[in-house]
Amino acid sequence: ETGVTQTPRHLVMGMTNKKSLKCEQHLGHNAMYWYKQSAKKPLELMFVYSLEERVENNSVPSRFSPECPNSSHLFLHLHTLQPEDSALYLCASSQDRTGGTGELFFGEGSRLTVL
Amino acid sequence: SQELEQSPQSLIVQEGKNLTINCTSSKTLYGLYWYKQKYGEGLIFLMMLQKGGEEKSHEKITAKLDEKKQQSSLHITASQPSHAGIYLCGADGEDTGRRALTFGSGTRLQVQP
Repeated sequence: ETGVTQTPRHLVMGMTNKKSLKCEQHLGHNAMYWYKQSAKKPLELMFVYSLEERVENNSVPSRFSPECPNSSHLFLHLHTLQPEDSALYLCASSQDRTGGTGELFFGEGSRLTVL
Repeated sequence: SQELEQSPQSLIVQEGKNLTINCTSSKTLYGLYWYKQKYGEGLIFLMMLQKGGEEKSHEKITAKLDEKKQQSSLHITASQPSHAGIYLCGADGEDTGRRALTFGSGTRLQVQP
């Protein structure tokens, strides 16, 4: 079993649908992240949950809604998305520590296509 | 906001050749991370550098950190087809209080047999 598991791996949805991406980590970490990767752009941090505190990128539209019920699970709820939201969504986890982020462990990603 | 610029954006080398990828930060580097990604997949951690002048090696990959220049380089010796992929540098982001990594756009490497 891999350390960070993302489901589904591929998702196609219409602009009026509501769907969710799921991430689960089996590493005992206490911080989880959502990143967005679009073609030819740097990875964009969307949300961080660290020690039950949420840090978010203020440029992320409200049609993306994160949920972190516990330190092992992270969701990204999607509703009324736009075609430009099509991208690879990567989940990561780490052991939060002072003095820096530390190594992030990434899942395989969820490839989202919005029609 | 902190930006990481990688060069070159893409690279094609013959198998057995050496190559270098650079990563330059617009702000002070507190920690620099190198990752490798195969197309459409997750990122695999390669190594982390924290101190100026630090150099780390793993198999045929060596990374160095020049704190004064706010720059890191990744060097691959005697490249192999297995080295092909996208190499990304990441840094502790000041914008998030160093609670997350900021990444460069990546360098796409192709190794021709």
